[in-house]
Amino acid sequence: GENVEQHPSTLSVQEGDSAVIKCTYSDSASNYFPWYKQELGKRPQLIIDIRSNVGEKKDQRIAVTLNKTAKHFSLHITETQPEDSAVYFCAARMAGTALIFGKGTTLSVSS
Amino acid sequence: DVKVTQSSRYLVKRTGEKVFLECVQDMDHENMFWYRQDPGLGLRLIYFSYDVKMKEKGDIPEGYSVSREKKERFSLILESASTNQTSMYLCASSRPGSNYGYTFGSGTRLTVV
Repeated sequence: GENVEQHPSTLSVQEGDSAVIKCTYSDSASNYFPWYKQELGKRPQLIIDIRSNVGEKKDQRIAVTLNKTAKHFSLHITETQPEDSAVYFCAARMAGTALIFGKGTTLSVSS
Repeated sequence: DVKVTQSSRYLVKRTGEKVFLECVQDMDHENMFWYRQDPGLGLRLIYFSYDVKMKEKGDIPEGYSVSREKKERFSLILESASTNQTSMYLCASSRPGSNYGYTFGSGTRLTVV
């Protein structure tokens, strides 16, 4: 089955810096790659996703890139703010199956 | 506002008890999922369902079963609760097909003593 590795497990940045979280997946048949943000005590919320026919997608300060050949995808957050502090999860999914999640990255943005 | 509702936010049960965790969604989603979330382990898939009365095992189904008698409701059952099932349980739903994200419930924090 699918396996998703996520790095780093913790990330500390200064406000205004950029943050990058990377994930690799094992099954080349995976075709959907979402990212979720989970604030303390809250449910995970979808923040951006990318499909296998697209190489990059942006939404304001957030972008995701996908390299299908290398089987990895990354989340980029620019101009980080304290409210970006949360746990971020990547996930991958093949057709007909459920999402498989990475173990999460705890992002801390200090002002 | 669309919702996935989990019946209990916190639950404390004794070892050996049969435990029911309920999840209801109001989005008419075909797909529903149960995950458990543990520190350092991320979200691990227990069971999922793509239609009423159907179910598929996830990565860690041992000690669990599920029931989906109606489209909007997906129940997770711990047949005989054990202390290693102490965890946060998250229910989610999504539209059919593989290219849609999930809407999660708020989670049930289960403690087995």
